[in-house]
Amino acid sequence: DVKVTQSSRYLVKRTGEKVFLECVQDMDHENMFWYRQDPGLGLRLIYFSYDVKMKEKGDIPEGYSVSREKKERFSLILESASTNQTSMYLCASRGTSGRPRGNEQFFGPGTRLTVL
Amino acid sequence: EDQVTQSPEALRLQEGESSSLNCSYTVSGLRGLFWYRQDPGKGPEFLFTLYSAGEEKEKERLKATLTKKESFLHITAPKPEDSATYLCAVQAASNFGNEKLTFGTGTRLTIIP
Repeated sequence: DVKVTQSSRYLVKRTGEKVFLECVQDMDHENMFWYRQDPGLGLRLIYFSYDVKMKEKGDIPEGYSVSREKKERFSLILESASTNQTSMYLCASRGTSGRPRGNEQFFGPGTRLTVL
Repeated sequence: EDQVTQSPEALRLQEGESSSLNCSYTVSGLRGLFWYRQDPGKGPEFLFTLYSAGEEKEKERLKATLTKKESFLHITAPKPEDSATYLCAVQAASNFGNEKLTFGTGTRLTIIP
């Protein structure tokens, strides 16, 4: 089974702090993703990475950056946390696309971040 | 712009009462449609992938179907443990190499014993 782990389940930070969210997958997947999930808005893609040191902006990259130095690890960085970044953050990974293996993404347990 | 609309927003069923959840989508060529289950405070758990109209997938009490405009998740004789939020997502063919999924906001299903 694919396992995606996230460094923290719950995190409380203060406005202006630099925040690091870590994600690790154990299936040698090329692709990794960061989403945020808010009530009524669903999951929205922040950034994704299709290879080590490669990154692409998603729909809402403003206020975030990412780092992928190793294939199994994908970090989300909030340079200066703000209250509107309070949310559930979800990491996902996916292997090489192509049927019949499928394109499904596998998610971690999530980090609920509160910015005060 | 790709869009996914799920209905109803919430559904309460008695144990054993079968029903269906709907996922309507608009994409510029469908590469794949995905169903996930999400329990409160947890990450989504993958259920099914559907690729083309007419395709069906089954897993225990769940069955997913796909047409050119929508997908249904049929739940047969549900049990309380089927209570969760069910999410639908699509990947457009134009996003090949982009890997982006567009998610709906989900249907919150409650099964009453």
